[in-house]
Amino acid sequence: KAGVTQTPRYLIKTRGQQVTLSCSPISGHRSVSWYQQTPGQGLQFLFEYFSETQRNKGNFPGRFSGRQFSNSRSEMNVSTLELGDSALYLCASSAGLAGGETQYFGPGTRLLVL
Amino acid sequence: AQSVSQHNHHVILSEAASLELGCNYSYGGTVNLFWYVQYPGQHLQLLLKYFSGDPLVKGIKGFEAEFIKSKFSFNLRKPSVQWSDTAEYFCAVREGSGNTGKLIFGQGTTLQVKP
Repeated sequence: KAGVTQTPRYLIKTRGQQVTLSCSPISGHRSVSWYQQTPGQGLQFLFEYFSETQRNKGNFPGRFSGRQFSNSRSEMNVSTLELGDSALYLCASSAGLAGGETQYFGPGTRLLVL
Repeated sequence: AQSVSQHNHHVILSEAASLELGCNYSYGGTVNLFWYVQYPGQHLQLLLKYFSGDPLVKGIKGFEAEFIKSKFSFNLRKPSVQWSDTAEYFCAVREGSGNTGKLIFGQGTTLQVKP
């Protein structure tokens, strides 16, 4: 099976702009989670989608949003970008059923905000 | 709030040395525990996981971890490291009682193995 794919892999934006990142989960997986990775804060959970519904949410401002489509692909949007949003954004997928699941991570999208 | 603590931020070892990386979490309920590894330039990969049963779990590449519930710990071990083990290691915890994909990660430990 193909792994989790994320596009684009690299992105440069300026402050105030918005950005949309995409994640395609492993075939058959219905849960997609997003994480932000920075040197200072480490890996932080943003949100999780399952069957097109947000199931969990981390402690990020409302500028960070997401959605999931019927084919389980997910997008994450960040509006009004700030310098501090520069990070590696990781997507992870799992089957999303009862507990005891393993999450598989994609390669990430590296976002640089200037 | 639930948190995960990795005691060592940067570890330097020589090849063939033994490795133990500490991980403690602060949640009293049922948990699922994971160790992930991130090799230079690569994405996060699962090393091993604990859901239930035998508290000593074995993973890939000769790694193992022991879950000690009374100490809220899940330490990673390898008897003899290789240069190729140079990477960043992350401990992660998920509340095991519900359907959730939310993982809480530790800050990570950078392991440098000298040839």
